[in-house]
Amino acid sequence: NAGVTQTPKFRILKIGQSMTLQCTQDMNHNYMYWYRQDPGMGLKLIYYSVGAGITDKGEVPNGYNVSRSTTEDFPLRLELAAPSQTSVYFCASSPPGGLGELFFGEGSRLTVL
Amino acid sequence: QKEVEQDPGPLSVPEGAIVSLNCTYSNSAFQYFMWYRQYSRKGPELLMYTYSSGNKEDGRFTAQVDKSSKYISLFIRDSQPSDSATYLCAMSGAYGGSQGNLIFGKGTKLSVKP
Repeated sequence: NAGVTQTPKFRILKIGQSMTLQCTQDMNHNYMYWYRQDPGMGLKLIYYSVGAGITDKGEVPNGYNVSRSTTEDFPLRLELAAPSQTSVYFCASSPPGGLGELFFGEGSRLTVL
Repeated sequence: QKEVEQDPGPLSVPEGAIVSLNCTYSNSAFQYFMWYRQYSRKGPELLMYTYSSGNKEDGRFTAQVDKSSKYISLFIRDSQPSDSATYLCAMSGAYGGSQGNLIFGKGTKLSVKP
């Protein structure tokens, strides 16, 4: 099992560009999440999904969009990138009843210049 | 007042020392308490999980929750250089769809010197 796989690992964007961060998991987990981690700050929830076709906003959703067409994949779309979106993005998944046991990917480091 | 407070450190200790890491919180609805370990340039991994108040031990690691004081702790006995990482506390009051809506502390960076 690969667990949670994120691509790309690194990316530099110019202001105003758009991109999609990919996330896939092979553990058949229903729940998937996107967090961002800024230096010296805790992880902040961007969006989450409880299953295919169902998504909901987290604490910091502005400037992002998500979709969940399959159990395995949960891509995060950045529209009109801004310097404030420079961060490390983590995708995570958990089984139902996992109660906080999240399995994280290795992260995608995004810089917006 | 922030929901979860955690001293960011850095904390440097000699190998073999007992390490104490702590978080305080303000939301009395929190019932699930977790400690995640994050190595440099890696994703966090769950280290300890506790429900409500009490202690939980797993090898060299002990997690304590004191809900009356809104205070949680992680103790590491006989610390090793391989324990050098950032330790994140996390907590939640939710079950079901929002179970991953964890509130994280900022993390404490620990360095264990040989």
